[in-house]
Amino acid sequence: DAEITQSPRHKITETGRQVTLACHQTWNHNNMFWYRQDLGHGLRLIHYSYGVQDTNKGEVSDGYSVSRSNTEDLPLTLESAASSQTSVYFCASSDRGRGRANEQFFGPGTRLTVL
Amino acid sequence: DAKTTQPNSMESNEEEPVHLPCNHSTISGTDYIHWYRQLPSQGPEYVIHGLTSNVNNRMASLAIAEDRKSSTLILHRATLRDAAVYYCILSHLEDSNYQLIWGAGTKLIIKP
Repeated sequence: DAEITQSPRHKITETGRQVTLACHQTWNHNNMFWYRQDLGHGLRLIHYSYGVQDTNKGEVSDGYSVSRSNTEDLPLTLESAASSQTSVYFCASSDRGRGRANEQFFGPGTRLTVL
Repeated sequence: DAKTTQPNSMESNEEEPVHLPCNHSTISGTDYIHWYRQLPSQGPEYVIHGLTSNVNNRMASLAIAEDRKSSTLILHRATLRDAAVYYCILSHLEDSNYQLIWGAGTKLIIKP
């Protein structure tokens, strides 16, 4: 069965370190998204991609970067981790199109703690 | 920014219908209305979406007000497995950036 996976599931790092969170989907979806969810809140969009070599900034992109070199993967990099980036990170994918009305499939999340 | 407003929590009895309200008074004409739910320690799960007309699927129904400033997610017969946080979301294009505007969600508690 097709799926979307994230790794690691849990990560503890120190302030200032570079961290990369992996997202891999086997749906063959063109669209991929990264969100963060702070305790007790909804999701906020960090970056998104509509296809290979395409990346776009979301609502809270400062301090984060993504690259899309193939259809299956959209790694999220924290250039210099800050305590404010402690959160749960969710990756999602959806079928072709501009994604505005397409169902998004979410990964299980990565819990990141920055000390 | 277009955004949604939902009650923080709601309770319902098992096997009864549940109506989850959402206000989105600043919605624009081309914004879609989505509903997702999130079970504890899991990623969100798609429930339903619509633009102007009411929508039905195997999970739920979505009733959209004529002026589109509010909508209601209807679970026809809630079970204990429906206990989750339900998010009402608008998809909104702003300054060439696509944004999915999530509300704070409604925590649905199902009583046996």
